[in-house]
Amino acid sequence: QKEVEQDPGPLSVPEGAIVSLNCTYSNSAFQYFMWYRQYSRKGPELLMYTYSSGNKEDGRFTAQVDKSSKYISLFIRDSQPSDSATYLCAMSEGYGNNRLAFGKGNQVVVIP
Amino acid sequence: DVKVTQSSRYLVKRTGEKVFLECVQDMDHENMFWYRQDPGLGLRLIYFSYDVKMKEKGDIPEGYSVSREKKERFSLILESASTNQTSMYLCASTASGRASYGYTFGSGTRLTVV
Repeated sequence: QKEVEQDPGPLSVPEGAIVSLNCTYSNSAFQYFMWYRQYSRKGPELLMYTYSSGNKEDGRFTAQVDKSSKYISLFIRDSQPSDSATYLCAMSEGYGNNRLAFGKGNQVVVIP
Repeated sequence: DVKVTQSSRYLVKRTGEKVFLECVQDMDHENMFWYRQDPGLGLRLIYFSYDVKMKEKGDIPEGYSVSREKKERFSLILESASTNQTSMYLCASTASGRASYGYTFGSGTRLTVV
């Protein structure tokens, strides 16, 4: 079993729809959870960061972490064509461990 | 604005050539990483470095080496390029103990080996 599982998609949605992305993981020591957005032919950029379980909202983006189920989600409300990108989840144990575990990424296409 | 800069966006090299990919960060980060990214395989860690002249193998180090002579610069070397090394290469950095807050990535180098 891979440490982080993420359905690669692609996921196509009409403009204005809610986009729902998720990752599951097997390492119960993970405490820090991130979502990266990667536009075509660019490097990933950090989109959202959360610690432990709970929700975090930033504009149209909401990140959720359920540590009991080892499951994290990213929701994009009122999706726009500019949200078309690949979204990668990443997670870390913390405590000085400098390696992140990444999901494979999920390609999202928002159709105008 | 903090930056990780990769020297080339696109490279085309011939099989057997020695290839150097350069990465420079201006954030005084201790940790630097080299990944390759391929469709369906995601990001795979090649090598990382947590200090000057220090290096650690990642998950797929075969066919690659690295050099870190200065804190801000981390080079990836393909000793004898092969077609299966055609890929997107991404450099990343983070401060020591700060990986939990994420990495900063460069824009990537798309390498084609012919």
